[in-house]
Amino acid sequence: GAVVSQHPSWVICKSGTSVKIECRSLDFQATTMFWYRQFPKQSLMLMATSNEGSKATYEQGVEKDKFLINHASLTLSTLTVTSAHPEDSSFYICSAIPGRINEKLFFGSGTQLSVL
Amino acid sequence: SQKIEQNSEALNIQEGKTATLTCNYTNYSPAYLQWYRQDPGRGPVFLLLIRENEKEKRKERLKVTFDTTLKQSLFHITASQPADSATYLCALVPSSGGSYIPTFGRGTSLIVHP
Repeated sequence: GAVVSQHPSWVICKSGTSVKIECRSLDFQATTMFWYRQFPKQSLMLMATSNEGSKATYEQGVEKDKFLINHASLTLSTLTVTSAHPEDSSFYICSAIPGRINEKLFFGSGTQLSVL
Repeated sequence: SQKIEQNSEALNIQEGKTATLTCNYTNYSPAYLQWYRQDPGRGPVFLLLIRENEKEKRKERLKVTFDTTLKQSLFHITASQPADSATYLCALVPSSGGSYIPTFGRGTSLIVHP
């Protein structure tokens, strides 16, 4: 099956620093990748849709200047949390689809971000 | 407003029994519905998809039903095992608007006791 690799698995950083999370599709090309965040016992909340070669589409309420998304190739999308604050602490998960029609998502293993 | 509801209380069952999880939705016209499994600290893993014109889908010990009149999907695991313990998420993909992005419920935790 399609494999999505996400790094790092966890990161602890000081308030005010920036953190980059990578999402790679290992055995397929992903025109579209999605970034989610998840709080404990809550549902996955879509943050943005990342399209290769174009600007990401952000969901309402998500600050695009704070959560920078780059999808420079068909196998790599990155999410940078800029000037992180404790309220940004969360579980961030990427997913990708091998094609246009989304019949199922393939997820990365997630990144637990803790901002001190 | 659109809502997807899954029982927030954990479901505790004995090994060997059938687990049944519920996903209810309102103000949606889903093209199809997906079920995912999520283990703690991990990303979800796709299990099954059922389309709006399908009543039932099976895969090994898993069975999903979809009732668009009741606006409900049931997810069954037969002969449950402790290894089935996880959180199960349902997700709906809309049939209109051109978006194929699924919206997720918050999931139900299943605990299978040996």
